[in-house]
Amino acid sequence: QSVLTQPPSVSGAPGQRVTISCTGSSSNIGAGYDVHWYQQLPGTAPKLLIYGNRNRPSGVPDRFSGSKSGTSASLAISGLQAEDEADYYCQSYDSSLSGPYWVFGGGTKLTVL
Amino acid sequence: EVQLVQSGAEVKKPGESLRISCKGSGYSFTNYWINWVRQMPGKGLEWMGIIDPRDSYTNYSPPFQGHVTISADKSISTAYLQWSSLKASDTAMYYCARLGGDYNSNVDYWGQGTLVTVSS
Repeated sequence: QSVLTQPPSVSGAPGQRVTISCTGSSSNIGAGYDVHWYQQLPGTAPKLLIYGNRNRPSGVPDRFSGSKSGTSASLAISGLQAEDEADYYCQSYDSSLSGPYWVFGGGTKLTVL
Repeated sequence: EVQLVQSGAEVKKPGESLRISCKGSGYSFTNYWINWVRQMPGKGLEWMGIIDPRDSYTNYSPPFQGHVTISADKSISTAYLQWSSLKASDTAMYYCARLGGDYNSNVDYWGQGTLVTVSS
């Protein structure tokens, strides 16, 4: 069971908006650590999608946006396109153990209907 | 151009040892921590551990502590993930990934992955 909790799957029709939640605790997201999001297309390595809760690397369309509040974060994808069908993962730092420790969410599979 | 290039796919038997590698180029290797991440077939990403190539300081996620060893050779800009006795349950894709800054940072570059298959 992952330290960060994501829904296993979400779906939406082309053009629609979907959100993916990422719920943590007081030792990670709730402690003020940043949340980062990665997109993994089938058969490829993950790719950075959102960093520092809400920032997009160059080249990532503004259809992708991130937010954070309390012990949770969200990734929103608007204007869904077929090419968005992928797995999405959130990641944060966790201070519950001694030494540096990072955690991922369990991942969310986005299906474009 | 920053690149992390991992060694090729491996097929091993249970009980065998293995070391896979991750070579960094296009940046100062000692300035960035390297993570190792496991992805079992059809499953999500799992953070295994991290190394600071400057001094080879390491830290491991509890499920992996004692089962794998992370090391680095800064003279050749290469990080390693090593097993002394593989199990069938180690079958997975393994990624190395560069931490872009301090502990609060994201991973900014990923290796292409190394598929490890353990089967008798």
